[in-house]
Amino acid sequence: DTAVSQTPKYLVTQMGNDKSIKCEQNLGHDTMYWYKQDSKKFLKIMFSYNNKELIINETVPNRFSPKSPDKAHLNLHINSLELGDSAVYFCASSPGGGFYEQYFGPGTRLTVT
Amino acid sequence: LAKTTQPISMDSYEGQEVNITCSHNNIATNDYITWYQQFPSQGPRFIIQGYKTKVTNEVASLFIPADRKSSTLSLPRVSLSDTAVYYCLVVLGGGADGLTFGKGTHLIIQP
Repeated sequence: DTAVSQTPKYLVTQMGNDKSIKCEQNLGHDTMYWYKQDSKKFLKIMFSYNNKELIINETVPNRFSPKSPDKAHLNLHINSLELGDSAVYFCASSPGGGFYEQYFGPGTRLTVT
Repeated sequence: LAKTTQPISMDSYEGQEVNITCSHNNIATNDYITWYQQFPSQGPRFIIQGYKTKVTNEVASLFIPADRKSSTLSLPRVSLSDTAVYYCLVVLGGGADGLTFGKGTHLIIQP
């Protein structure tokens, strides 16, 4: 019974394409996140949503657009992909923001060629 | 800017107790200290969280001195499966700064 799931697990695409990564959580949590882990292993938050509303929007190119159709889903759409977008993207959820334990998905490895 | 400082890597042996220390000199009154563990090709997993003194759960202990400028994650009797990256976070009241994990400590356990 997967708590936080992401699809796809691997994504290989060419520069300039548009792609989406989907995330779903079945924990009933109010808050969901997107993180990017680069080749140097820094894991940095990109976005945070609470009850479908954006509450954290870090300095991320506007080619990245999160969409939360409902509390259980937070999808990440990326336009005009660039080589530097290659990374592992993690979705996470928590009962609330800040102090609460976060549950992470398995990650999506995006490779832009 | 990184909010925490921890060793890049550590080695130990099976059956030993491992202590990983994290410095957070600018911790604020309402901040909590949280540790996560990450295995290769997996997302981070919550280990323990504390505010002051000592917290213990079935996996680890967290020691926080009175000034709260550092914390120590203690893993009792480690096994090979404890080889992972361990991240220390100071959660700044839900702000984004506290949600940057940094590079963590790569703990390698040998037989």
